[in-house]
Amino acid sequence: DAGVIQSPRHEVTEMGQEVTLRCKPISGHNSLFWYRQTMMRGLELLIYFNNNVPIDDSGMPEDRFSAKMPNASFSTLKIQPSEPRDSAVYFCASSLTPPTGVDYGYTFGSGTRLTVV
Amino acid sequence: RKEVEQDPGPFNVPEGATVAFNCTYSNSASQSFFWYRQDCRKEPKLLMSVYSSGNEDGRFTAQLNRASQYISLLIRDSKLSDSATYLCVVRKNTGFQKLVFGTGTRLLVSP
Repeated sequence: DAGVIQSPRHEVTEMGQEVTLRCKPISGHNSLFWYRQTMMRGLELLIYFNNNVPIDDSGMPEDRFSAKMPNASFSTLKIQPSEPRDSAVYFCASSLTPPTGVDYGYTFGSGTRLTVV
Repeated sequence: RKEVEQDPGPFNVPEGATVAFNCTYSNSASQSFFWYRQDCRKEPKLLMSVYSSGNEDGRFTAQLNRASQYISLLIRDSKLSDSATYLCVVRKNTGFQKLVFGTGTRLLVSP
């Protein structure tokens, strides 16, 4: 399996522009998570989906952020309009929830490093 | 109180040293426990699960104390490549049983 695949790896954009981050979870996983990580705030859970349905979006900072999961193999996180304070690394993770047999936790993608100037 | 608490460090140790990290969790009904490792500018990766009886993987030993609600990670014979941030992770036993991540303990192994 190729693991969790995120794109792009790096994104530099100007303030006010729309940014779309993409994630392909591991095949067979039914839960998908979007995290943001900064030095100041650490790893923050933004939103998670179970069977393509958003379960908890209480971590989404504000209305500028939105996430979708149109099918089991694809999710997007969109920021519109972007602001410099959105600069961070955005990770997508997937898992089988609840775990069956051995619990392997979450598998993370390699992240998207977003810089908003 | 945070659900999962760790000493942020950094722990500075020489090569070959033994180092131990502790972590406490607040939810007594938590069901699964893990240590993740995160290298600088990389994603967190599962290092090892933590079982009730304790478990070992090479130079790494994990222990769980349910009565006191703490988890430990012992690294023997530290290598330069062990330098990373170690995240303590707990799976909640309620709702959708999501994982709760600690903020991490940074380890620096020097020559």
